Amino acid sequence: EPEVTQTPSHQVTQMGQEVILRCVPISNHLYFYWYRQILGQKVEFLVSFYNNEISEKSEIFDDQFSVERPDGSNFTLKIRSTKLEDSAMYFCASTSGLAGGETQYFGPGTRLLVL
Amino acid sequence: RKEVEQDPGPFNVPEGATVAFNCTYSNSASQSFFWYRQDCRKEPKLLMSVYSSGNEDGRFTAQLNRASQYISLLIRDSKLSDSATYLCVVTPNSGNTPLVFGKGTRLSVIA
Repeated sequence: EPEVTQTPSHQVTQMGQEVILRCVPISNHLYFYWYRQILGQKVEFLVSFYNNEISEKSEIFDDQFSVERPDGSNFTLKIRSTKLEDSAMYFCASTSGLAGGETQYFGPGTRLLVL
Repeated sequence: RKEVEQDPGPFNVPEGATVAFNCTYSNSASQSFFWYRQDCRKEPKLLMSVYSSGNEDGRFTAQLNRASQYISLLIRDSKLSDSATYLCVVTPNSGNTPLVFGKGTRLSVIA
């Protein structure tokens, strides 16, 4: 069964450093998403991406965040200057975009710890 | 007011028990409704979509009441493997729109 993959599974970084989280969505999917989940909190939407541009973003997704689809398979989330409060689990998700195919499939997540 | 509210639990039930979870949502224009399951430190996984007519998948039954903005999940004959956090999820629009998650209800099924 096709699945969303994410790398790395864990990342530890120093405050102020840049991090890039990588995702490989399911191959024929067209819509991509990033969510985050701070420990003990709910899953929160960050950004959605379609047709090589951001289609929607939340107020969490400020100027320190950016997304990119550098090639036909990867979808990345960059955090330019990490803060302590960026520590969270980051999930990538994708959907096919077809009618009736709006189910979002989640990757296993990247656990980010900012020290 | 929180967009999606759930009783956080935990619900501790013996194997074989029936357990019900409830959820309310604040946006009356919400279009799609789901229950996701999340195991500890894992990603959310779709358990089932929720339709106005109610729907059943094996031991799981979901109900939606649009007038009351209320969603429920019933699990019959609980198994140890049902232990997880159950997330109530809605979307504000139809189509490929962001999911809005509740904080989840934790279930522990005890032998």
